[in-house]
Amino acid sequence: AQRVTQPEKLLSVFKGAPVELKCNYSYSGSPELFWYVQYSRQRLQLLLRHISRESIKGFTADLNKGETSFHLKKPFAQEEDSAMYYCALSGGDQAGTALIFGKGTTLSVSS
Amino acid sequence: NAGVTQTPKFQVLKTGQSMTLQCAQDMNHEYMSWYRQDPGMGLRLIHYSVGAGITDQGEVPNGYNVSRSTTEDFPLRLLSAAPSQTSVYFCASSYLGGGPSTDTQYFGPGTRLTVL
Repeated sequence: AQRVTQPEKLLSVFKGAPVELKCNYSYSGSPELFWYVQYSRQRLQLLLRHISRESIKGFTADLNKGETSFHLKKPFAQEEDSAMYYCALSGGDQAGTALIFGKGTTLSVSS
Repeated sequence: NAGVTQTPKFQVLKTGQSMTLQCAQDMNHEYMSWYRQDPGMGLRLIHYSVGAGITDQGEVPNGYNVSRSTTEDFPLRLLSAAPSQTSVYFCASSYLGGGPSTDTQYFGPGTRLTVL
């Protein structure tokens, strides 16, 4: 069964500190992994996806198939990074499969 | 483009009442879905659709019905509201098929539902 695990409900860091939001997944095929972000009073939006291999707002995430992980990292946190972050998975080898979300991690960056 | 729109933004129901949450998108997306967001539970999939006339159940479908008569619209019906259905409901849509632009979900602003 598809499953996404985000072990931390809340991650609090100081501005300028490194950030790592953890995500582990369970899927038998070839998954597509995503990070979505929800800023306060805004709708959920895509932050990045593993297939694009890009850095968005300084965030990167590498798919590690051996460890079934897709951790989100940023070397220097900014206050505007404070938000709820969701890791999500879809069946990349099957078009039209549903997107499954983890329970989310709230990132709080303080000065 | 308006993107994904949802109505109403807020709704209060009494136990046993029925209602329909509306969702529409103008991006010609094949895939549409409904999620509910609850504290500590993240986003849970209720129902989804890969095209007009095709729907399927997600993780928490009980108490909800959907239909997809057009590409643009994907309404969510609460048959007999219960306090456990108090939540924020999000609709989302995306393209299907291959390519880097597919599968990116575009979300609506949400509907905050309270069932008394």
